[in-house]
Amino acid sequence: AQSVTQLGSHVSVSEGALVLLRCNYSSSVPPYLFWYVQYPNQGLQLLLKYTTGATLVKGINGFEAEFKKSETSFHLTKPSAHMSDAAEYFCAVSAPGGSYIPTFGRGTSLIVHP
Amino acid sequence: ETGVTQSPTHLIKTRGQQVTLRCSSQSGHNTVSWYQQALGQGPQFIFQYYREEENGRGNFPPRFSGLQFPNYSSELNVNALELDDSALYLCAYRDPNTGELFFGEGSRLTVL
Repeated sequence: AQSVTQLGSHVSVSEGALVLLRCNYSSSVPPYLFWYVQYPNQGLQLLLKYTTGATLVKGINGFEAEFKKSETSFHLTKPSAHMSDAAEYFCAVSAPGGSYIPTFGRGTSLIVHP
Repeated sequence: ETGVTQSPTHLIKTRGQQVTLRCSSQSGHNTVSWYQQALGQGPQFIFQYYREEENGRGNFPPRFSGLQFPNYSSELNVNALELDDSALYLCAYRDPNTGELFFGEGSRLTVL
C-alpha cells in the first residue's frame, strides 16, 4: 500500500522567491512518484515524475524535484516563483509496473504575491 | 489541452437521484480511470477500465459503476446519490508508454 503526505495545505511566496512544496511518501515497494498541478476549474496536469535512474527530476515550467529514499521525500522546488505558478499542487505515488494507479496527497495551494 | 473531454461540466441533483457522467479522448489511449475530488482534497481513485473491462477499483460502494465503450469513451454512473457525493469527478486516460495520466477538466456534481 502507498500513501502520500503533503506538508502545508497552503504555501505563500513572493514573486521571484524560491518555491518549496513538501511531499513525503510511504510505499512497501520502490515507488514511482509524481507531481501534478491543477489550475482553477481545470483538470490535473503532470509536472514531472520519477520512476528510476537519476534522482533529480526536471519538469515543465522550471520545476524540479529530488527523490530522497533515505528521507522518503520528493519535494518540489522552483528557484523563482511567477504569478502564473499560483495553483494547487498534488504529489502522488504508485507502484512500479502494474496499472500505474497513483495515490494522491491532499494538495498544497501555492499563493504567489506580487 | 489534453484532448480529454468530460460532460457535463456542472450539474445539480437531489438525494436519491442517479447521475451519468461521460468522458472521451482524442488520443486513442485505451485505459481510462475515474477519480472523485472532494473540496480541499486530492483525487480519490474510483475505478479503471481497460478495453471495456474494469481492471481496478478503489474503496467505493457498488452504487458507483462504470462502462467503457469500443471507442474507449467511458461513463461513470452513480445511483442513490448522497450529499457526500458532491465533488469534482475527473477522468484520465493513461499513456501506455510513459504511464502519464491525461485528465479532463472534470464534472462538478452538487447533491442537494
